[in-house]
Amino acid sequence: SQQGEEDPQALSIQEGENATMNCSYKTSINNLQWYRQNSGRGLVHLILIRSNEREKHSGRLRVTLDTSKKSSSLLITASRAADTASYFCATDGRGQGAQKLVFGQGTRLTINP
Amino acid sequence: EADIYQTPRYLVIGTGKKITLECSQTMGHDKMYWYQQDPGMELHLIHYSYGVNSTEKGDLSSESTVSRIRTEHFPLTLESARPSHTSQYLCASGWAGQNIQYFGAGTRLSVL
Repeated sequence: SQQGEEDPQALSIQEGENATMNCSYKTSINNLQWYRQNSGRGLVHLILIRSNEREKHSGRLRVTLDTSKKSSSLLITASRAADTASYFCATDGRGQGAQKLVFGQGTRLTINP
Repeated sequence: EADIYQTPRYLVIGTGKKITLECSQTMGHDKMYWYQQDPGMELHLIHYSYGVNSTEKGDLSSESTVSRIRTEHFPLTLESARPSHTSQYLCASGWAGQNIQYFGAGTRLSVL
């Protein structure tokens, strides 16, 4: 299984601080994605980073990818109360035709006002 | 928000009932997926489809069945619900050749 593992499982910080979440996976990938899930809702795609990229930015989000360590990190800068959610990494596997995603266990992020 | 809709949002039923969870998308996506997710846990793929008349079982064994008669519609059916089926069911869709998935809001199922 190339299921991702996320660290930490839960993170609680003050509004305005930065939040960093990590994801590790087991097999070679074509790309890695991060999704957000608000409580009781579906997932929303945040950002995709390809296996030949090392860093990507989108607004207050910064994603890094280290394929040699099979790991990725998601940094949310200047956090807001609205960032409170669960964050999941998802990987596809080379050889699977890039058709399916495998999701990690998620990091539950709480932003305290 | 993506144009993918799931109904009902919440469902409480008794053991042994037959149920169908509906999922529709208006984006013309070829690929559609069903995931099962327990509260605070990871998503498990239970069914997927690459197009009309194409359905495959996912990584997690499930007693449910699916059909894909129309591009926009991917219903999931449980012939005889049991308490072990209590969970949240998420439907997603995406373009062929692209990995990004767009999710519905989910159906939270409780079987008594």
